[in-house]
Amino acid sequence: DTEVTQTPKHLVMGMTNKKSLKCEQHMGHRAMYWYKQKAKKPPELMFVYSYEKLSINESVPSRFSPECPNSSLLNLHLHALQPEDSALYLCASRGTPYGYTFGSGTRLTVV
Amino acid sequence: EDQVTQSPEALRLQEGESSSLNCSYTVSGLRGLFWYRQDPGKGPEFLFTLYSAGEEKEKERLKATLTKKESFLHITAPKPEDSATYLCAPTAGGTSYGKLTFGQGTILTVHP
Repeated sequence: DTEVTQTPKHLVMGMTNKKSLKCEQHMGHRAMYWYKQKAKKPPELMFVYSYEKLSINESVPSRFSPECPNSSLLNLHLHALQPEDSALYLCASRGTPYGYTFGSGTRLTVV
Repeated sequence: EDQVTQSPEALRLQEGESSSLNCSYTVSGLRGLFWYRQDPGKGPEFLFTLYSAGEEKEKERLKATLTKKESFLHITAPKPEDSATYLCAPTAGGTSYGKLTFGQGTILTVHP
């Protein structure tokens, strides 16, 4: 299995809702990432987990809360988001020799 | 501060018309430089990793090269299915270890 699986593929949520994005990989990678990508822009790093511990937080607002329950699973909990948070959220994992493997993303729309 | 600049921003080619994309970078302690292809609404798809100046890698119609300051992605005899956004991303060591810093990308359109 050489894939990173993200669910759901699409999500529409209100500004008062709580939702979660899920990312799963079974390649034995011990580093996992969340990226945010706005239209016509490159992916921007949000969080890095290394060996299930948060190692990098790129000053992301607290309405985004990451969680890494085990080495295969990464969640991103969302609460009280703003319309400007609408974007493609990408999960990635890192291992050799294939470098970083990205999932297909979750298209999030905040209404 | 690490900087990555890709050029051109957009490139239109006729099928079969070869060209090159450029990625200029300023990164302290380069550990590797990655090239990705991204189709609209999809996640980036891995193409190449280059680790040291002088290194070259090839895959079908694509060839990536690396110098100390820039990387090139050469596309030979492109086909319409090569149309996509091409992203380069160097990664460094130290406190930046594990971070990919993407360039703005080059949008490639290949017309039949």
